[in-house]
Amino acid sequence: EIVLTQSPDFQSVTPNEKVTITCRASQNIGNFLHWYQQKPGQSPKLLIKYASQSFSGVPSRFSGSGSGTDFTLTINSLEAEDAATYYCHQSRNFPLTFGGGTKVEIK
Amino acid sequence: EVQLVESGGGLVKPGGSLRLSCAASGFIFSEYSMNWVRQAPGKGLEWVSSISTSSNYIYYSDSVKGRFTISRDNAKNSLYLQMNSLRAEDTAIYYCARGMPAAFNWFDLWGQGTLVIVSS
Repeated sequence: EIVLTQSPDFQSVTPNEKVTITCRASQNIGNFLHWYQQKPGQSPKLLIKYASQSFSGVPSRFSGSGSGTDFTLTINSLEAEDAATYYCHQSRNFPLTFGGGTKVEIK
Repeated sequence: EVQLVESGGGLVKPGGSLRLSCAASGFIFSEYSMNWVRQAPGKGLEWVSSISTSSNYIYYSDSVKGRFTISRDNAKNSLYLQMNSLRAEDTAIYYCARGMPAAFNWFDLWGQGTLVIVSS
């Protein structure tokens, strides 16, 4: 099973600051890494697919990078509406797995 | 409107059974792989099961293999999850999620979820 380790677990950030979340895979997954945003009480939403491709309708301040085992989700100029938990997800192999999540709080 | 709507959740005793349904609308259901993902209260996301467009390929997490059965009815635009021998640790919100056409990758559309509580 491919284990995805996200860091940090929690981040408290001031609006307009830059947020960086990392996801490390336990083995090479190429670019089969995707990012989701889940706001409290809501279902997850796809932000980034294939490590760096923005999903339709996602604000341009969200971007992804990386390949192999190390990946990054960046939120440039954080807005209040970005308060959420962010998850990475790999689809390289079954079982599909998710990272543990990173909760982003607005200061 | 493109959407997924889950139903069938509820309170069930340990060892009991439940069948979840997911009704799809607004897109050609038969062209997409489908998935179930769950989230225990206050916890992260856990993949449960995936099914290909024609049900030729089916996958389960080890935690549910042998107890849960995923299926789909393309004529009814519906996805199902038959859950047997339920345990307390199966308590979670169960989401159905759309995959890619003819492939298993990202999940680009999620339902609102249905809550399953396993408790005596």
